[in-house]
Amino acid sequence: AQSVAQPEDQVNVAEGNPLTVKCTYSVSGNPYLFWYVQYPNRGLQFLLKYITGDNLVKGSYGFEAEFNKSQTSFHLKKPSALVSDSALYFCAVRPIYNQGGKLIFGQGTELSVKP
Amino acid sequence: DAGVTQSPTHLIKTRGQQVTLRCSPISGHKSVSWYQQVLGQGPQFIFQYYEKEERGRGNFPDRFSARQFPNYSSELNVNALLLGDSALYLCASSKDRGPQSLYEQYFGPGTRLTVT
Repeated sequence: AQSVAQPEDQVNVAEGNPLTVKCTYSVSGNPYLFWYVQYPNRGLQFLLKYITGDNLVKGSYGFEAEFNKSQTSFHLKKPSALVSDSALYFCAVRPIYNQGGKLIFGQGTELSVKP
Repeated sequence: DAGVTQSPTHLIKTRGQQVTLRCSPISGHKSVSWYQQVLGQGPQFIFQYYEKEERGRGNFPDRFSARQFPNYSSELNVNALLLGDSALYLCASSKDRGPQSLYEQYFGPGTRLTVT
């Protein structure tokens, strides 16, 4: 079965420190990969995507993500965390050969950045 | 530019009732997808529509239906509501629909449905 795993329900980081939010996937073929962020009582906001090419992709608000095909991972990173980065983060994959371009989401990781 | 809009923001319904949720995509986007997000979980795919035709369906019962209009807006209908249908319903739009699409989906703020 196709799935996305975010092994950490919560990640706690001090402001100014680097952060990593982990994501692994189990999908046949070479999927497209995405990260979204959700603030309380809001919809999902697109951060970045990996389609092909360089394994390190850069996105909005200083976030980046590293694609590792051998480990089937797509971890989200930021060199220096801000308190305002505190939110719920979702990794999603879109299998290339699937119906209608649907996204398969992980269960989410709550990021808490303390001053 | 306006983002994806959804209405209503909140809705309270009784078991057995029917509900209609509405979505307007970003201007120029022809694809609309619907997702259900239960508290504490990631969104689950319900439907995708492109050019008024259903292009994908998730593992949801036939009580769930949707349609897309000529202006690319969309409605999600849920009949015979169950308590388990309580969730945040998210609409997303993108420029196109295919599996090979390079385009990301942009999400609206969602409709919070509570079934009592």
